Amino acid sequence: EVQMVESGGGLVQPGGSLRLSCAASGFTFSADYLHWVRQAPGKGLQYVSSISGDGTATFYADSVRGRFTISKDNSKNTLYLQMGSLRVEDMAVYYCARQYCSGSSCYTGAFESWGQGTMVTVSS
Amino acid sequence: QSALAQPASVSGSPGQSITISCTGTSSDVGAYNFVSWYQHLPDKAPKLIIYEVSHRPSGVPDRFSASKSGITASLTISGLQTEDEAHYYCSSFTTSKLYVFGSGTKVTVL
Repeated sequence: EVQMVESGGGLVQPGGSLRLSCAASGFTFSADYLHWVRQAPGKGLQYVSSISGDGTATFYADSVRGRFTISKDNSKNTLYLQMGSLRVEDMAVYYCARQYCSGSSCYTGAFESWGQGTMVTVSS
Repeated sequence: QSALAQPASVSGSPGQSITISCTGTSSDVGAYNFVSWYQHLPDKAPKLIIYEVSHRPSGVPDRFSASKSGITASLTISGLQTEDEAHYYCSSFTTSKLYVFGSGTKVTVL
């Protein structure tokens, strides 16, 4: 069974930093694209960032590019999101998710196996 | 990247069919067949219900169907059930090699 468990959320002041982790199990961690998606209070889902299975390709939404860094440790089956220069508008529940794969096929844009999320609060 | 446009709310009675639209641009929905739909219940993780415009992952009931025409994708729930009450989001791959989600639709079962 695939499991994704986020951690690392908390209260941080504007301009501060925080590192989120996502511990994964139940699939070949080094093979699949992984993603971060967030949901601000009372708002909809918002794409944040993606990383390839081998970690060489990374992608960022315009709103976080230059401030957030996605990475992964394939030896620990853990995905990270290093967040810096945090703003009030970054306050949200952050979810990690795995690209949907079935058999030998993986499907672009299909986010499966979401975690329960970790809350990031940005406030002074 | 602006959110894909979805109606804020849609409602229907049990057994009825409802359709949720998702309108994007030629740079996202209109560019690729990489449109997905998610069901999001309160305090739960979002659940993938449709991928690549119209395909259902195993375990998703065939009451859920979807399609795309031009820059608009649509999700139809047939035979609406009380447990279908949730928020629904579309998403699309974009020509910038990123993703964009829809604004979300709250489905209410009357």
